[in-house]
Amino acid sequence: SAVISQKPSRDICQRGTSLTIQCQVDSQVTMMFWYRQQPGQSLTLIATANQGSEATYESGFVIDKFPISRPNLTFSTLTVSNMSPEDSSIYLCSVVLVAGELFFGEGSRLTVL
Amino acid sequence: AQSVTQLGSHVSVSEGALVLLRCNYSSSVPPYLFWYVQYPNQGLQLLLKYTTGATLVKGINGFEAEFKKSETSFHLTKPSAHMSDAAEYFCAVSDRDRGSTLGRLYFGRGTQLTVWP
Repeated sequence: SAVISQKPSRDICQRGTSLTIQCQVDSQVTMMFWYRQQPGQSLTLIATANQGSEATYESGFVIDKFPISRPNLTFSTLTVSNMSPEDSSIYLCSVVLVAGELFFGEGSRLTVL
Repeated sequence: AQSVTQLGSHVSVSEGALVLLRCNYSSSVPPYLFWYVQYPNQGLQLLLKYTTGATLVKGINGFEAEFKKSETSFHLTKPSAHMSDAAEYFCAVSDRDRGSTLGRLYFGRGTQLTVWP
């Protein structure tokens, strides 16, 4: 397994502001992903964070709204831009350590007022 | 794209009773199959997974799941529920034959398990 640390663990933000979430892994990983879990909903993949290149976004998610950085094999950030109450969710960082198996961070719980 | 259906958004059982959480998937090609558990205010933890081999898979905390290809199901069971099992459970699938999407999981909507004393 791996230790996946996310910061902040929770935050309350004002509408129109932006928040950057950090994900730090204690080992080098090739594949890193960002998921969103809206209240009462399941998990939805936002994007694959690619090291050294632009992230690959899923349908319905765009770079302007969710810019992602992946400067190395142990770290990534997700920014939620120009937030609205609809962005209130848990954002989870995940990594693949064993083929086909995902490990998750504890998530960042975001509330937008 | 894959789809995952979890029957029952809420399941309640008495302590010591059988736990059965249902999961069906849509793929015609057997995917990788997973069950994750999420305790309050925590991230997701892998309970068990099926990739190949024996269709009855044992996981942590006494849980097990059986892959039934004919039924496209991967139901999660535990013979005797414990209070500490109260949590949300997610079934997930990953495409088996698409290396470029390795690790991309499709999740069900989750089942909240309540255990009564």
